[in-house]
Amino acid sequence: NAGVTQTPKFQVLKTGQSMTLQCAQDMNHEYMSWYRQDPGMGLRLIHYSVGAGITDQGEVPNGYNVSRSTTEDFPLRLLSAAPSQTSVYFCASSYSGTGRIISSGNTIYFGEGSWLTVV
Amino acid sequence: SQQGEEDPQALSIQEGENATMNCSYKTSINNLQWYRQNSGRGLVHLILIRSNEREKHSGRLRVTLDTSKKSSSLLITASRAADTASYFCATDTANTGNQFYFGTGTSLTVIP
Repeated sequence: NAGVTQTPKFQVLKTGQSMTLQCAQDMNHEYMSWYRQDPGMGLRLIHYSVGAGITDQGEVPNGYNVSRSTTEDFPLRLLSAAPSQTSVYFCASSYSGTGRIISSGNTIYFGEGSWLTVV
Repeated sequence: SQQGEEDPQALSIQEGENATMNCSYKTSINNLQWYRQNSGRGLVHLILIRSNEREKHSGRLRVTLDTSKKSSSLLITASRAADTASYFCATDTANTGNQFYFGTGTSLTVIP
């Protein structure tokens, strides 16, 4: 199993450009999520999904869109990039076990990260 | 925010010493997990402790949980240079359902 795969690894964008960070997992996990990691801020949840066709907002959703058309894929779209979105982005997945409500205590599997710079 | 806070922010020790880092959180939790992040990499799960547990061991790792103080500690015994990494706690609560909150992390440096 490849686990959680994110692409691209590095990206430089100009302010106002749009782009999509790709995320795929091959573990048949129902739960997928996107975090951003900034110095001194830890990881902050952007959006998450408990299954295909279901998405919800996390702590910092503004400026980002997500969709979940398949169990495997959970892309994150930056609609109009801003310098404040310069960050490291992590996709993560987990087995939820009970469908819509994630079972507590399931291990979260992370991708290797995408380094995004907006200039 | 229900984000946890790790303490200390940075820790530097000699190889062979024990490393202790703490996590405090704000609301009642279902579970608390510890994760490790090597520089430039994603987070990797280390250990989980449930709200009805007080202590858990895994190899050189020992985790304690004090729900009355809303805090947890991670002890790494007989540290090795390869333990150099950042360590994060993550909590999930009945109120937040599907959201996991991570702390700000402790950066551990183990000097050979």
